[in-house]
Amino acid sequence: NAGVTQTPKFQVLKTGQSMTLQCAQDMNHEYMSWYRQDPGMGLRLIHYSVGAGITDQGEVPNGYNVSRSTTEDFPLRLLSAAPSQTSVYFCASSISTGVAYYGYTFGSGTRLTVV
Amino acid sequence: ILNVEQSPQSLHVQEGDSTNFTCSFPSSNFYALHWYRWETAKSPEALFVMTLNGDEKKKGRISATLNTKEGYSYLYIKGSQPEDSATYLCARNTGNQFYFGTGTSLTVIP
Repeated sequence: NAGVTQTPKFQVLKTGQSMTLQCAQDMNHEYMSWYRQDPGMGLRLIHYSVGAGITDQGEVPNGYNVSRSTTEDFPLRLLSAAPSQTSVYFCASSISTGVAYYGYTFGSGTRLTVV
Repeated sequence: ILNVEQSPQSLHVQEGDSTNFTCSFPSSNFYALHWYRWETAKSPEALFVMTLNGDEKKKGRISATLNTKEGYSYLYIKGSQPEDSATYLCARNTGNQFYFGTGTSLTVIP
């Protein structure tokens, strides 16, 4: 049981480049989400999904796209990277769409630097 | 309170001391309050999920209480050990979204 797997662990991008951060879970969790962690700030929700084919915006969605074609995978796309997107990104999943009542399982994080 | 606020920001205690932290949050539109433990170079791990006013949860030497009417939760650690050193996060849930505090960084000195 791998839990939540994020790839890559580290990435350096040039301004304007695009990339996809991968997230996969093998726990059959319905709810998946992406957060970013910046110094001095709490984890901030970027996008989330309550099931395959259903996504919604979180607190800081601008500059990011997501899709959920399968229960297992929830990739995060940066279409045109900007230095303001330099951050540590965490994928997190939860057992139910009643996510309030269950804890998150977090991935190990992706440290992204945009130069 | 507009956001989730945690205090203190950091804390150093001696091994064996008991300690506590505070998480304050808006009391409106409340679904649940989560506590997470985040060790350096690891991912946050869930400690407690609390939903009802007056909830008390316990896991070993760590316990938490919840007051939804006044919008706060306390996390207590009894007899702190060096392995308790971590950042402790709280997060307020308003349905499908969570709002995290910036955490309390605990260092337990042997």
